[in-house]
Amino acid sequence: GENVEQHPSTLSVQEGDSAVIKCTYSDSASNYFPWYKQELGKRPQLIIDIRSNVGEKKDQRIAVTLNKTAKHFSLHITETQPEDSAVYFCAASIPDNAGNMLTFGGGTRLMVKP
Amino acid sequence: NAGVTQTPKFQVLKTGQSMTLQCAQDMNHNSMYWYRQDPGMGLRLIYYSASEGTTDKGEVPNGYNVSRLNKREFSLRLESAAPSQTSVYFCASSGGLAHTGELFFGEGSRLTVL
Repeated sequence: GENVEQHPSTLSVQEGDSAVIKCTYSDSASNYFPWYKQELGKRPQLIIDIRSNVGEKKDQRIAVTLNKTAKHFSLHITETQPEDSAVYFCAASIPDNAGNMLTFGGGTRLMVKP
Repeated sequence: NAGVTQTPKFQVLKTGQSMTLQCAQDMNHNSMYWYRQDPGMGLRLIYYSASEGTTDKGEVPNGYNVSRLNKREFSLRLESAAPSQTSVYFCASSGGLAHTGELFFGEGSRLTVL
């Protein structure tokens, strides 16, 4: 099955700095790569996703890049703010009958210091 | 709309006891999932149901059973709880007429097995 590795496990940045979280996946058949944000005590929520026919996608301060050849993808957050503090999960999906069988990375705890 | 609702939010069990986690969604989604979340291990899929009437094992199914009662409801049962099943459990759903791949999570159920 698919295996997703995520680094770093914790990341501390100063407010206004950029943050980068990296993930690698093992199965070249994976074609959908979402990122979820989970605030303390809350449910995970989708913040951005990318499909394998696209190399980069941006949404305001967040962007995701995908390198299919190397089988890795990254989340970039610019101009970080305290409200960006959360745990971020990457995931990869192989298309199947369930529509999206997601395998998640281990998570990155991002702390933005004011 | 309530989205995905799961109960109970908290539960403490003794080893060997049984319990059922309930989940319901009101988004007319076809697919439903049960994940467990443990520190540093991300979200791991226990069971999923691609559509009403079907269920399949995920990454960590041992010790669990599921029932897709109807399109709205998907329950997770622990027949004989073990301390290793102490975790936070999330139900999720996806699909529908405008399937985007996004998973919608419930608020989570924190289970402690003593």
